[in-house]
Amino acid sequence: TQLLEQSPQFLSIQEGENLTVYCNSSSVFSSLQWYRQEPGEGPVLLVTVVTGGEVKKLKRLTFQFGDARKDSSLHITAAQPGDTGLYLCAGARKGSARQLTFGSGTQLTVLP
Amino acid sequence: NAGVTQTPKFRVLKTGQSMTLLCAQDMNHEYMYWYRQDPGMGLRLIHYSVGEGTTAKGEVPDGYNVSRLKKQNFLLGLESAAPSQTSVYFCACLRAGQYTEAFFGQGTRLTVV
Repeated sequence: TQLLEQSPQFLSIQEGENLTVYCNSSSVFSSLQWYRQEPGEGPVLLVTVVTGGEVKKLKRLTFQFGDARKDSSLHITAAQPGDTGLYLCAGARKGSARQLTFGSGTQLTVLP
Repeated sequence: NAGVTQTPKFRVLKTGQSMTLLCAQDMNHEYMYWYRQDPGMGLRLIHYSVGEGTTAKGEVPDGYNVSRLKKQNFLLGLESAAPSQTSVYFCACLRAGQYTEAFFGQGTRLTVV
């Protein structure tokens, strides 16, 4: 069982649609990050959220950290084919900040 | 601007063979990590290091050993490879401090037959 569970595991949508990806855990995290990974490459950081209830926007992407700091969501508005990739959440638990744990990932495909 | 470099990029091993994967970073970051990535499993932490000469176990350490003799290098060893170790391996480094970004290498695709 992974510490961070992401849903859905796969998502295929048409260009222009909106979507939300979820990252859930029973543990509390001091911070949570979202990464995007393209084929043949390592993950690249999108955002870090650190405060319970925090909302961050990055162009068409909106990230939210849960009030209890156990979960997070990523919402994409008007998805584009360039958004296609594997989205991974990653958390550093309170007291174990140096052990960076990743979620199971959501594979997003945006069709033109 | 190399960042994090992993060698080799691809390798095929026979069951029972040994090998070492090398990760080198030129970012002067304190923390280094080895992950494996399997379909539907995201990234699972094998071992990590918070500084030169130190290592610690992650989620899935069995069958692997690591060493960090120099700050810039983190080695992952497989003493006796098994088919279950077929995976893509990623190395990452992280600067000490709060909320810092992990930088990854491009991965090593390992197949054990």
